[in-house]
Amino acid sequence: GAVVSQHPSRVICKSGTSVKIECRSLDFQATTMFWYRQFPKQSLMLMATSNEGSKATYEQGVEKDKFLINHASLTLSTLTVTSAHPEDSSFYICSAEPNYGYTFGSGTRLTVV
Amino acid sequence: AQKVTQAQTEISVVEKEDVTLDCVYETRDTTYYLFWYKQPPSGELVFLIRRNSFDEQNEISGRYSWNFQKSTSSFNFTITASQVVDSAVYFCALSLSGGAQKLVFGQGTRLTINP
Repeated sequence: GAVVSQHPSRVICKSGTSVKIECRSLDFQATTMFWYRQFPKQSLMLMATSNEGSKATYEQGVEKDKFLINHASLTLSTLTVTSAHPEDSSFYICSAEPNYGYTFGSGTRLTVV
Repeated sequence: AQKVTQAQTEISVVEKEDVTLDCVYETRDTTYYLFWYKQPPSGELVFLIRRNSFDEQNEISGRYSWNFQKSTSSFNFTITASQVVDSAVYFCALSLSGGAQKLVFGQGTRLTINP
C-alpha cells in the first residue's frame, strides 16, 4: 500500500527557532500534499495544500510567512515552522491521495518551550 | 462549503457492549466521499472505510459496520461487542471527488471502552 513517511515524529525546540518537518511518499508520486494541524483534544484542521513545483495554497488564518511549505519534488514535501512560539505547539500531520484513498504520515508532535 | 458534524464528543461503554458513533454531513455536491478514521493515543490516523456518494449499501467488516443514509445525510459507525482496544478517537470525514481534494473532518468522538 501507499506509504507516507513523516519525520521527525517528535521535536522539542526553543522559542524563536525554526523546525522543519518532512513528508516523503515512499512508493508513489505525490503531486499534492495536504498539511493538517491538530491541537490537543481537537479535530484536524487543514493548514495548506502543497502542489509539486508551485506555491502552496494556505487556508484562511494560516500565516504563510510562518509556515513555509516546499514541495520541490514528487516525493518530498516539507513544512518549516519559522520563529516558533509556544502557541505553535501542536500535532502536525501530512496526507497525500494516491488515487485510491488518502494516506497519512505518522505525524509530528511539536513542543515549543 | 462542506461540513461534518459528530455530535458525540465522548462515549464511554463497558466492554462487549455495542456502540454507535454518529456522523452527519453537509455538502451541495452530488459526488463526494465519506470516510472514517481511528486515531489511537499514538496519534496516527488509521483508515477504516471510504464510501462514495453513489453507494448506499451498508458495509460490515468484522465487528465494524457502517450505515450510510443520503436521505438524512448520515454515515454512522457501529462497533459490535466492543473491546478495550477499540478505545480511541474516531473521526468522520468528507471529501469532494475530482482531483486531489482536501478532507474535511468532524470534531471527533472519543470512545472509551472500560473492562
